[in-house]
Amino acid sequence: NAGVTQTPKFQVLKTGQSMTLQCAQDMNHEYMSWYRQDPGMGLRLIHYSVGAGITDQGEVPNGYNVSRSTTEDFPLRLLSAAPSQTSVYFCASSRLAGVQDYEQYFGPGTRLTVT
Amino acid sequence: GENVEQHPSTLSVQEGDSAVIKCTYSDSASNYFPWYKQELGKRPQLIIDIRSNVGEKKDQRIAVTLNKTAKHFSLHITETQPEDSAVYFCAASTSGNEKLTFGTGTRLTIIP
Repeated sequence: NAGVTQTPKFQVLKTGQSMTLQCAQDMNHEYMSWYRQDPGMGLRLIHYSVGAGITDQGEVPNGYNVSRSTTEDFPLRLLSAAPSQTSVYFCASSRLAGVQDYEQYFGPGTRLTVT
Repeated sequence: GENVEQHPSTLSVQEGDSAVIKCTYSDSASNYFPWYKQELGKRPQLIIDIRSNVGEKKDQRIAVTLNKTAKHFSLHITETQPEDSAVYFCAASTSGNEKLTFGTGTRLTIIP
């Protein structure tokens, strides 16, 4: 199992550009989520999904879109990049609540810089 | 929504001594409390978690305690080793492992 994979690992964007961060998991997890990590602020939830076709907003959703067309993939789209979106982005997946194994497995992260 | 506060932000401990990190949460409906360890440049990894129907859980040198009345939970690391140096995050959720709210992290340094 590759677990949770993310691409790219690093990305530099200019203000106003758009891009998609890719996330995939091969553990057949129903739950997937995106976080951003900024110094001194921990991880903050952007969007999450409890299954294919179902997505919802987290704590900091503005400026980001997601879709979940398959169980495996959960891409994060930046519509018009802003310097405030400079951050490290982590994708995570897990079984749904109510199942014995609660662990959220994180991907390796994408370091995004917006200039 | 849920708010999780974590203290201290930095902690230095002599090798072999114990380390304690504390978190408080605001939503009394929270029922799941995981702790993650993140080494420099790496992804967060779960080290221990506890659910609201349990007061304490232990895994070798690591333990977590939960006080639902006071709405706080703590991570205890005994017999610390250099490889324990990392940033530790607590988190809480009202819906199992979904929609985790994280604390701001504690940078733990083990002094040889």
